[in-house]
Amino acid sequence: DAKTTQPTSMDCAEGRAANLPCNHSTISGNEYVYWYRQIHSQGPQYIIHGLKNNETNEMASLIITEDRKSSTLILPHATLRDTAVYYCIVRLIYNQGGKLIFGQGTELSVKP
Amino acid sequence: DTEVTQTPKHLVMGMTNKKSLKCEQHMGHRAMYWYKQKAKKPPELMFVYSYEKLSINESVPSRFSPECPNSSLLNLHLHALQPEDSALYLCASSRGGPMLHEQYFGPGTRLTVT
Repeated sequence: DAKTTQPTSMDCAEGRAANLPCNHSTISGNEYVYWYRQIHSQGPQYIIHGLKNNETNEMASLIITEDRKSSTLILPHATLRDTAVYYCIVRLIYNQGGKLIFGQGTELSVKP
Repeated sequence: DTEVTQTPKHLVMGMTNKKSLKCEQHMGHRAMYWYKQKAKKPPELMFVYSYEKLSINESVPSRFSPECPNSSLLNLHLHALQPEDSALYLCASSRGGPMLHEQYFGPGTRLTVT
């Protein structure tokens, strides 16, 4: 699976959009981009995933660049409860093992 | 029901003890996972069960012994652990099969080995 690079930490004001970048310059054509987050003292939580088109669900939007070498997770109106570590993960489409390989992630702090 | 439950929440054990961690899901998922997470580090995969068969063992020491008695339950048996095994142990489940599916995680068991 391709490696990812994320900033170690970011701050965001409550009510503003949080834009979390992820670099995956070695991604191959059969790899998806997944985002999970882990709120302190809880298990990781799935957020969203995509292959090459932009995706949106009730939690977030995922913007993947045309060359697929980077992506941005957008939380449109961040709240204090969005303070967490956000993990960007790249996985093979047919991942028979189901392996999730977590990188170091970005620690997002949403401030009042 | 999209919940994965884990018991106990906290466990303190000595190096000569034998204990077990339990994980349960009722989502009909056929893949289940154990992860280990040290403080300030990301989760690391330990084991994967697919359709109740062990499919991945990430070179985990034999003092950790997984068991999947049925499609809803996953156990992790612990014996002769070391203090460095103290960590948060996370269970997860997913629909399984060769395609990608999101994993649902439990809240974890915080293990302290004394």
